[in-house]
Amino acid sequence: GAGVSQSPSNKVTEKGKDVELRCDPISGHTALYWYRQSLGQGLEFLIYFQGNSAPDKSGLPSDRFSAERTGGSVSTLTIQRTQQEDSAVYLCASSLGGFQPQHFGDGTRLSIL
Amino acid sequence: GENVEQHPSTLSVQEGDSAVIKCTYSDSASNYFPWYKQELGKRPQLIIDIRSNVGEKKDQRIAVTLNKTAKHFSLHITETQPEDSAVYFCAAEWEAAGNKLTFGGGTRVLVKP
Repeated sequence: GAGVSQSPSNKVTEKGKDVELRCDPISGHTALYWYRQSLGQGLEFLIYFQGNSAPDKSGLPSDRFSAERTGGSVSTLTIQRTQQEDSAVYLCASSLGGFQPQHFGDGTRLSIL
Repeated sequence: GENVEQHPSTLSVQEGDSAVIKCTYSDSASNYFPWYKQELGKRPQLIIDIRSNVGEKKDQRIAVTLNKTAKHFSLHITETQPEDSAVYFCAAEWEAAGNKLTFGGGTRVLVKP
């Protein structure tokens, strides 16, 4: 079916507000990943969900960041009390599991004013 | 921790020439090595990948080589075309790291017509 879908594509918000970013993975993909890409930079791992296992949260930069994945499908990344340094493109990827190709969505460009 | 270094950071080639990007990784237990191409403002797209039990893989003008002893892998693009201009990222996956990708810093390739 369709590829990885992310929404919104762009989000502008004021410093201190909370934001929610959504990712809809490829149907049948059990693994879901969130990455962050700052302007002109590489991809920074944030969090990884695999099936029903506990998520790997080792890349989350602070406790303001959290993510959940409901029903093994759609995932939401939440950033509380946003700061200007949170401005970046947030990319979601999904795959069939470990050592399998990860397919990326178009990302959400987050701008904190 | 896991580390992937990518060189060069920028590469300018004449159309028709070859381009080579090299990555080194720190953990000899890594098993999967994908390469992504990212055009400006677009999602990263998987262009080729290689697993640890294979030394070389080719797909038309693109090839990847893996030297497990030296812990490095390289992307080779032959007969470069202007549409090859993009940022290229290498990555490595370790089971011990929880099956998440660690990315290199990226190489900006410019193919001059």
